[in-house]
Parts: sequence; structure tokens; C-alpha cells
Amino acid sequence: QVQLQESGPGLVKPSQTLSLTCTVSGGSISSGSHYWSWIRQPAGKGLEWIGRIYTIGITNYNPSLKSRVTISVDTSKNQFSLKLSSVTAADTAVYYCARDTRYGDLRFDYWGQGTLVTVSS
Amino acid sequence: EIVLTQSPGTLSLSPGERATLSCRASQSLSSSYLAWYQQKPGQAPRLLIYGASSRATGIPDRFSGSGSGTDFTLTISRLEPEDFAVYYCQQYGTSPPMYTFGQGTKLEIK
Repeated sequence: QVQLQESGPGLVKPSQTLSLTCTVSGGSISSGSHYWSWIRQPAGKGLEWIGRIYTIGITNYNPSLKSRVTISVDTSKNQFSLKLSSVTAADTAVYYCARDTRYGDLRFDYWGQGTLVTVSS
Repeated sequence: EIVLTQSPGTLSLSPGERATLSCRASQSLSSSYLAWYQQKPGQAPRLLIYGASSRATGIPDRFSGSGSGTDFTLTISRLEPEDFAVYYCQQYGTSPPMYTFGQGTKLEIK
């Protein structure tokens, strides 16, 4: 059973960089059949896809966030990470990591529990 | 970018009733790229349906998905108390490659 777990600071100051890590267990991040995504959800609002990474470092980003987002992977630790720069209060949200399929019917089949990140001074 | 519009915003029904949730896309999309999720308060979304009509592992058969092109539907044949939640549709677009979600339908107990 694949499990994902987000970790990182719960409080980030405005203009600074938000950094989160997702640790994958029960399966290899290098499997080749999946991308690894970040998704966020402001309180009481809907889901917004941030971006994803494939094991060899190929990335896709949401155009609305692309200028501020970097997603990287560390296969030795079975982890992938998110960096979001120049944060504002609008970036306050629950951040989820999730696995998405590379082929066929595309969907997010495993999710982390989510971690709340608050942007405040 | 394809925009997904879900309706209704809120659906009030009683246990045992049938629920029909709609997801309309601004452009035609492949059924392979349409999925549905259920989210309960304080929890991560859970995959229900992928490929527009295939149930994910462990999902009861009272959940079904249908549709093609721009109109997709999630049906819950007979509501159980645990089905009251928020439901999101999701699509994948290729130009640029990205996922988008609908704004959600809240299914509440009447």
C-alpha cells in the first residue's frame, strides 16, 4: 500500500519561500509509471493543482504559479519536494502531495493527508 | 485551458435517495482524462471514478460515472449516511499539460 506524507514548516513569512517535502513509502518513486504532484486547497475552497515531477526530473507546472514554483525529486530518499517563492497570504492553504498516473486514465490515486501552511508575519 | 463547471453547488437529499452530480467542460475532453473525487471535512480527497466511468479500488457499486465530450455525471444510486461530502471532478489537459478541478458540489443531508 503506497503512502505519502507531507512535511515542512507550518508557518512562513510573507515574501519568503515555502518548502515542503513528500515522503513516499510502500512503493518506489522511481517506478516509472507515475508522476508525483502537489495540490493545494485554501480553507473552504476548491483544489488547485500546483505541478508535478517525473522520476527523471521532468516537470509540469500550473501556468498561474509557474514563475514561483520548483518541484524536485530525490530518488535516494524516495522523496519529492515543493518550493514556492515570494509567498503571500493568498498562498495559505492545505498542501497535498499525490501520485498520478503516467499512462491511460489519468488520475490521482494516492494522496498524503495534507499539511496546513499559513503565510503570516 | 479547460474549465470545469460543476452543478449544483449544493445538493440536499435524504439517505436512500439518488444523487446526480454534473460536471461540464468548456471544451470536449477525452473520457480518459476525467475523474471524480470525494472529500470529507479534514480529509484528503479520495478517488472514486476514473476514465469517466471506472470505479476505483474499493469504491461501492452505488457510485457510477458516465458521460463524454463536455458533459459528465456522477451518480450515487442510493445515498448512505457516509456519502454526504464534497465531490470534485478533475480533468487533464494537454496544452499546456496540467490538471484542473471543478469547484465542487456539496452533498448535504436534507
